[in-house]
Amino acid sequence: AQKVTQAQTEISVVEKEDVTLDCVYETRDTTYYLFWYKQPPSGELVFLIRRNSFDEQNEISGRYSWNFQKSTSSFNFTITASQVVDSAVYFCAPPSGSARQLTFGSGTQLTVLP
Amino acid sequence: DVKVTQSSRYLVKRTGEKVFLECVQDMDHENMFWYRQDPGLGLRLIYFSYDVKMKEKGDIPEGYSVSREKKERFSLILESASTNQTSMYLCASSTQGVSSYNEQFFGPGTRLTVL
Repeated sequence: AQKVTQAQTEISVVEKEDVTLDCVYETRDTTYYLFWYKQPPSGELVFLIRRNSFDEQNEISGRYSWNFQKSTSSFNFTITASQVVDSAVYFCAPPSGSARQLTFGSGTQLTVLP
Repeated sequence: DVKVTQSSRYLVKRTGEKVFLECVQDMDHENMFWYRQDPGLGLRLIYFSYDVKMKEKGDIPEGYSVSREKKERFSLILESASTNQTSMYLCASSTQGVSSYNEQFFGPGTRLTVL
């Protein structure tokens, strides 16, 4: 069985600080994908990134970066120079099953204070 | 842009009522999903459909049914609403594509309250 864990329930930072959100994905699969989604206060889930287990290189997109370490089953997400608009719940989610339905972690509530 | 719309943002129903939640996507996606979201539990899959008239149970199908008569529309039905079905309901769609690991696009959600 697979299990995704986001141990950080809530994180608060002050604007311009860097913040890292953790995600651990335990699975027996040798190849897999992981997605990150953002859910702002408006409620609509927004896709951020998809990574596969073959690629352990960091990926950077503007202030966002992702670090995938297969050896520790961790897929961490860092926001550099955080802004108030980054305040949201962030979900880590592996797809599975015949329709690639997503299994969501419990999410991390990030609050960026001005 | 992909657009997934849901019929209502907020809905209040009474126990025992039959409730329909509608979802429409405009990108010709094969897959459609219904999730519910509750505090501390993340998103949980109720049902999904990978083709017209096809449906599969997710993790928590009890008390729900679905209908997909047209490719763009996926309906979630609560035959007899109960208070424990008070929740945020999110619809999503995705294309099957070559790799099949394509992102899901979500609607804005329907916050259902059952009194």
